[in-house]
Amino acid sequence: GEDVEQSLFLSVREGDSSVINCTYTDSSSTYLYWYKQEPGAGLQLLTYIFSNMDMKQDQRLTVLLNKKDKHLSLRIADTQTGDSAIYFCAESPRKAAGNKLTFGGGTRVLVKP
Amino acid sequence: ETGVTQTPRHLVMGMTNKKSLKCEQHLGHNAMYWYKQSAKKPLELMFVYNFKEQTENNSVPSRFSPECPNSSHLFLHLHTLQPEDSALYLCASSQTAGGGTDTQYFGPGTRLTVL
Repeated sequence: GEDVEQSLFLSVREGDSSVINCTYTDSSSTYLYWYKQEPGAGLQLLTYIFSNMDMKQDQRLTVLLNKKDKHLSLRIADTQTGDSAIYFCAESPRKAAGNKLTFGGGTRVLVKP
Repeated sequence: ETGVTQTPRHLVMGMTNKKSLKCEQHLGHNAMYWYKQSAKKPLELMFVYNFKEQTENNSVPSRFSPECPNSSHLFLHLHTLQPEDSALYLCASSQTAGGGTDTQYFGPGTRLTVL
C-alpha cells in the first residue's frame, strides 16, 4: 500500500530557511500536499503541488517535487517563531480512487529565537 | 461561524459510555471525513461521506458509527470504546470526494480520552 515518510524533528533559528523533506511510494500520486498543525488545532492546508510540476512557490513557501525519486520538500524562507508547528506531507492518488489522502507521520519544527 | 467546527473539543468517557462527536461545516461542501490522529500512528482516514452517502469505511471497528444527516453535519457515535481509542478525532470537508484538487479543510478536532 501507500507509504509516506517524514523525519520526526527539525530545529531552526529564526530568520534562517527551513527545509522539510518527505518521501512517498505511490507512483500514481496525483497531488501532494503540505499541511501545518499548531498545538491544539486542526490541520491547515499550506500548499499543494500537482504531480506534473516540479516546483511551486507561494510567498515564503517553496515546494519542490522530484517525481523520479518520489521526494517532496517544503522550504520556508525567513522562518519565524510562528512557524513552529508540526508539518504533514500527504499524497492523493488518481481521481478514480476518490479523495483518499495518505499522510506522513509529521515533522515537528521548532524555531529558536 | 466559519470553516469546520467540532464539538466537544475535549471528551473523557468510560468504556461503557455512549457519546457522540459532532462536526459542522459552513463552507457549502458536499464531502465530509473523519480521521483519527493518535500518538503512535500517522493520521488515519476512518470514513468518507459524499453527498450524504458513505463512500469509504477504512476497516473501522463497529464501536464507531458515523452518521451524516445532511451535507453540513457529520456525527461519530461512540459505544463501548477501548483505551487504545484515545486520540484526536479530526473532521474535514471538501467540495466533493472526487479527488485531486478537492482540498480538504480540517476542524480543530476532539481530544478523546477513554478510561
